Amino acid sequence: GAVVSQHPSRVICKSGTSVKIECRSLDFQATTMFWYRQFPKKSLMLMATSNEGSKATYEQGVEKDKFLINHASLTLSTLTVTSAHPEDSSFYICSARAVDRGQGEAFFGQGTRLTVV
Amino acid sequence: QKEVEQDPGPLSVPEGAIVSLNCTYSNSAFQYFMWYRQYSRKGPELLMYTYSSGNKEDGRFTAQVDKSSKYISLFIRDSQPSDSATYLCAMTNQAGTALIFGKGTTLSVSS
Repeated sequence: GAVVSQHPSRVICKSGTSVKIECRSLDFQATTMFWYRQFPKKSLMLMATSNEGSKATYEQGVEKDKFLINHASLTLSTLTVTSAHPEDSSFYICSARAVDRGQGEAFFGQGTRLTVV
Repeated sequence: QKEVEQDPGPLSVPEGAIVSLNCTYSNSAFQYFMWYRQYSRKGPELLMYTYSSGNKEDGRFTAQVDKSSKYISLFIRDSQPSDSATYLCAMTNQAGTALIFGKGTTLSVSS
C-alpha cells in the first residue's frame, strides 16, 4: 500500500504555544488530505479536508483559526495547533488519497500524540 | 441513527478461531468500503478495500459487502494473537471524500 508519513509521532508542549504536525505522502501524490482527531476508545473524528493549493474545509465545530491547515504541495500537508490548551491533547491522524490509484482508498499516517501541559 | 454502526466489543476469542466483525450503515449512497486495523497508539492500517457489493479475500481476511442490507463484514480465519487490535470499518459515497468511520471493535485473541 501507499505510505503516508506523519511527524512527529509524539509531542509535549506548554499551554499557549503552537505545534506543527506534518503529513507527507512518500510514494504518491495526494490532492486531498484529511485530518482526524481521535479520543481514547473513540473513533476517528474528521476535523478538516485539505486540498492542495486551496483553503481547507473544516467540519462543523472545528475552529479554523486554532487548527491551521496548509497543503502547499501534492505530498505535504501541515496541521498547526495554535495557542494550545490541555483540552487539545489528543491523537491526531492524517490521511491521504492517491491521485492515481484506487477510487476510495485512503492511507493513514502513524498519528501524532499531542500532550499539552 | 448514526451513519455507521459498529459494535465496540470487546471481542475475545481463542487462537485459531474464526472472527466475524460487522458494520451496518444507513446511507445507501455509500459505494466504497474499507476495513482498517489499528494497534494502540498507532495510525489505522488499511486491511481490505471493496467497491460496491461482493466478497474479497486476502489471505486470512475476507470482506463482504451486502448493499441491499447495508451490512458489511470482515472475517478473520485462524486468528492469531497478533490480530489483537481495534478494527474500524469505513466507507464513503464518492471518491475523494472523507471516510465515515464506525466506532471500531476491539478484538483480543488469546494464545
